Amino acid sequence: DTGVSQNPRHKITKRGQNVTFRCDPISEHNRLYWYRQTLGQGPEFLTYFQNEAQLEKSRLLSDRFSAERPKGSFSTLEIQRTEQGDSAMYLCASSPAIGGYTFGSGTRLTVV
Amino acid sequence: QKEVEQNSGPLSVPEGAIASLNCTYSDRGSQSFFWYRQYSGKSPELIMFIYSNGDKEDGRFTAQLNKASQYVSLLIRDSQPSDSATYLCAVRGNTDKLIFGTGTRLQVFP
Repeated sequence: DTGVSQNPRHKITKRGQNVTFRCDPISEHNRLYWYRQTLGQGPEFLTYFQNEAQLEKSRLLSDRFSAERPKGSFSTLEIQRTEQGDSAMYLCASSPAIGGYTFGSGTRLTVV
Repeated sequence: QKEVEQNSGPLSVPEGAIASLNCTYSDRGSQSFFWYRQYSGKSPELIMFIYSNGDKEDGRFTAQLNKASQYVSLLIRDSQPSDSATYLCAVRGNTDKLIFGTGTRLQVFP
């Protein structure tokens, strides 16, 4: 098992463009989470899936953000019409039913 | 009041000393508690988790939980310069999501 994989590692985009990130979780984990982290802060919850079902979405998440996990395996996070405030590290994690998360290496988004 | 609170630090300890990191949480229904280590520019990595009141030891690390006081701590014995990182406390309530604190930066000097 190679752990949680995220692509791309870095993304620079112009304000107003759409971006999509991909996460491949650990294969035997049925729970998948997306977090966002900015400098000096802890990871902030965005959304999570159990299998293909999106069970919770943060109230802080605007309608510009959408996440999918179509077959209960990999997941994508899309940000439409990016803003400079979206610049952050986007972290994906997966977990079994009991225990802690395993995080991927993250995707660092810079909106210019 | 933040859901999970940590002193941002930095906490500076000499090599070989015990580092004590503390965390408080607001939700009395919280069920499990996690400590993550995060090196600068890297993603968090799980150190250990604890569910029950008392102490749980794993190598040089000991997690302590006091649900009545809504307090969880992490002790690092024989601290090494390689332990210098930010330590994140996270709490899980009735759902699967973890709520993280802002982290405490630990510096271990030789």
